[in-house]
Amino acid sequence: GAGVSQSPRYKVAKRGQDVALRCDPISGHVSLFWYQQALGQGPEFLTYFQNEAQLDKSGLPSDRFFAERPEGSVSTLKIQRTQQEDSAVYLCASSRGQLNEKLFFGSGTQLSVL
Amino acid sequence: AQSVSQHNHHVILSEAASLELGCNYSYGGTVNLFWYVQYPGQHLQLLLKYFSGDPLVKGIKGFEAEFIKSKFSFNLRKPSVQWSDTAEYFCAVITISGGSYIPTFGRGTSLIVHP
Repeated sequence: GAGVSQSPRYKVAKRGQDVALRCDPISGHVSLFWYQQALGQGPEFLTYFQNEAQLDKSGLPSDRFFAERPEGSVSTLKIQRTQQEDSAVYLCASSRGQLNEKLFFGSGTQLSVL
Repeated sequence: AQSVSQHNHHVILSEAASLELGCNYSYGGTVNLFWYVQYPGQHLQLLLKYFSGDPLVKGIKGFEAEFIKSKFSFNLRKPSVQWSDTAEYFCAVITISGGSYIPTFGRGTSLIVHP
């Protein structure tokens, strides 16, 4: 596609509910990043994939957070038993391959946990 | 771990005023530096980047940034802002010598330009 696509654009969840956020990177992009952006803050790193391999998940805040990219393209970020502190914008970004290249960002998924 | 500080959280300017947004990072060594911009209702996009060479880099829309290694800084400048520069600006750093290659972002600066 023309850019990085994320869905849904907005998600409202009740506390304790599981959610799944989808990211469709630019076709052919090897690297894929997930970031969490709280209100008034900058993007905080969650996890990084190179093709289907999850090479860094050091930013995932708890074991309730899980990400996958099984075929090296579309990625899903899953949050189990959501809590209010999970409310944030979740950003996906991709790049062609070299690790210091610029990132192409999606518009994000705004998650609100009530 | 690398951290990035953007000291100006909110900046309000009139059109034609000069702009300088501060960015400092904590961990030395070899770094790649970026400024990203997010216009209202749009996604984050690259404004400019520094990898090596001339420490004064020029980006889109008349923006430039200067890398000062001794000060761990990469400040963004524009001589004369326009109303259309109203946006959020984020500084990001990749610590090459640290081996992680994960971009670390600052908290951002909200710029409002009055016509």
